[in-house]
Amino acid sequence: EAQVTQNPRYLITVTGKKLTVTCSQNMNHEYMSWYRQDPGLGLRQIYYSMNVEVTDKGDVPEGYKVSRKEKRNFPLILESPSPNQTSLYFCASSPGTSGDNEQFFGPGTRLTVL
Amino acid sequence: GENVEQHPSTLSVQEGDSAVIKCTYSDSASNYFPWYKQELGKRPQLIIDIRSNVGEKKDQRIAVTLNKTAKHFSLHITETQPEDSAVYFCAAKRSGYSSASKIIFGSGTRLSIRP
Repeated sequence: EAQVTQNPRYLITVTGKKLTVTCSQNMNHEYMSWYRQDPGLGLRQIYYSMNVEVTDKGDVPEGYKVSRKEKRNFPLILESPSPNQTSLYFCASSPGTSGDNEQFFGPGTRLTVL
Repeated sequence: GENVEQHPSTLSVQEGDSAVIKCTYSDSASNYFPWYKQELGKRPQLIIDIRSNVGEKKDQRIAVTLNKTAKHFSLHITETQPEDSAVYFCAAKRSGYSSASKIIFGSGTRLSIRP
């Protein structure tokens, strides 16, 4: 089944404790992206990757890191989480390298930082 | 920076009536405009998209119109049904393999269909 998976789905952590949210897709998509969703603010892009080893900042990259060592995986890293990073996070992938095609979203990861 | 404004934030319509959601964008180089639907507790899913070389696109009860001169685009849902109740997001982005490939989303419209 073609899909985007994220792990964990739910996470409660404390300020300053490094964490990684994994994202994997099995559709051979070049473009991958991370979003956060907050009430009243919609979806905001954190980072995107047009291909392996090519990443760039989205609208709200501060406090986040990503890597794209393989085509199928695009982990999101929070080196020192803070309470303002409490949010619902979505990973997405898209065919082509530019991202101007349908984005296929993962199920979401709800993160709470205490 | 680039911005996409979406209105209204909430919309309630009678079942069978039409619903219209409007978005304006600031980056005149934007040329790809998707619309996503997010049902409660679910992930966003693409329902329709339009590119700047087209003024209107239809898919059954859903249509999107684009006015590049005014920098706005709209989603039209006709003959609304209960399953249309969801949050709808518009988005805009430039096309092409470049550092300007980020996607800007609107803040969302919560559509409720009254029986």
